[in-house]
Amino acid sequence: KQEVTQIPAALSVPEGENLVLNCSFTDSAIYNLQWFRQDPGKGLTSLLLIQSSQREQTSGRLNASLDKSSGRSTLYIAASQPGDSATYLCAQTTGQNFVFGPGTRLSVLP
Amino acid sequence: DTEVTQTPKHLVMGMTNKKSLKCEQHMGHRAMYWYKQKAKKPPELMFVYSYEKLSINESVPSRFSPECPNSSLLNLHLHALQPEDSALYLCASRAGGIRSGRTPNEQFFGPGTRLTVL
Repeated sequence: KQEVTQIPAALSVPEGENLVLNCSFTDSAIYNLQWFRQDPGKGLTSLLLIQSSQREQTSGRLNASLDKSSGRSTLYIAASQPGDSATYLCAQTTGQNFVFGPGTRLSVLP
Repeated sequence: DTEVTQTPKHLVMGMTNKKSLKCEQHMGHRAMYWYKQKAKKPPELMFVYSYEKLSINESVPSRFSPECPNSSLLNLHLHALQPEDSALYLCASRAGGIRSGRTPNEQFFGPGTRLTVL
């Protein structure tokens, strides 16, 4: 059974810090790894998608990496801002199904 | 346009009511999903439609009945729900369709319907 875990479960940092969020998965037959952001009571917003043939993707202050051999992905957030406060979820897919991690709740303090 | 829309935003229903949730996308995506999300938990997959056919049913109780009338629309019919079914119901679609031109397998979510069962 596919399992996805995320560390840390929660994180509180002052504004301006650089952050690393971690995602681990058990299924080496991964197709893609997708990172999402969710604000309270809202839907999920796609941040970055890394295909299995890629090692990283970048969008603005966000950089996501994928290491299939170790079953890990990291999301790097540079120069964090209070507006980055949200829950960050990673999801792996091996086909039609998406398996989500439990998320990391991030608070960036002004 | 990367928008998935869902209606209604909020729904309150009694255990004997029948209601429907609606989801729509115009990105040419051919896979559509229903998820259930409880507070502080990740989304749980309920159903997947691929090319308008049900391809995954994650052992969801029959009081939830999905329907995909066409490639742009996805419904979730609700009947005789229980209070524990109260949750945020999320619809998503997966890229890779005819008109999307997007990275295959990127999933896009709607804003969700907040369901309360009394």
